[in-house]
Amino acid sequence: AQTVTQSQPEMSVQEAETVTLSCTYDTSESDYYLFWYKQPPSRQMILVIRQEAYKQQNATENRFSVNFQKAAKSFSLKISDSQLGDAAMYFCAYRRNSGGYQKVTFGTGTKLQVIP
Amino acid sequence: DAGVIQSPRHEVTEMGQEVTLRCKPISGHNSLFWYRQTMMRGLELLIYFNNNVPIDDSGMPEDRFSAKMPNASFSTLKIQPSEPRDSAVYFCASIKAGSNQPQHFGDGTRLSIL
Repeated sequence: AQTVTQSQPEMSVQEAETVTLSCTYDTSESDYYLFWYKQPPSRQMILVIRQEAYKQQNATENRFSVNFQKAAKSFSLKISDSQLGDAAMYFCAYRRNSGGYQKVTFGTGTKLQVIP
Repeated sequence: DAGVIQSPRHEVTEMGQEVTLRCKPISGHNSLFWYRQTMMRGLELLIYFNNNVPIDDSGMPEDRFSAKMPNASFSTLKIQPSEPRDSAVYFCASIKAGSNQPQHFGDGTRLSIL
């Protein structure tokens, strides 16, 4: 079974600084997707960034980027120039790419605090 | 475009009462998921449907929980009878099966059982 591990329950970062959130996963599949979701206090689940496993290039979305290490099964999220609005829970998620199989496995989350 | 729509947004009820949560997926999405989120257990998948058919209900806690999807645009999650330990935020999410897109989540229903 696939598992997703986020080993940092809480992190903090100074405003305008950079922070990296860790995520590792376990799978025997070779084709899959990885996601980072943000959940602010409003509790919405917002997609931050996604990565297809067959792509070697790391995904980036403005201030958000990932370091995808397929062999190590690691998928960390880097937030640059942190802003107060980045304070939230961040969830790493995995989904295998297998036709109609759509089940997503989530990590337990990392609570990010941004210090003004 | 309308996103995934859940109702109610908040529900407070007494133990033993029946609770029905509702979800309207994004039009054109044919896979629908129900999740439960608590501090203790995080985000758990309860059940998911493909083309209105339940595919995996292994996450449904017990017989008090049931879910239906009578058509492509509507699903319900029912708890009968409800218990205080069912208090949580319940999310619905949808996706078009086979796409490379992520799941789209509704805003969730915060359920409190007194």
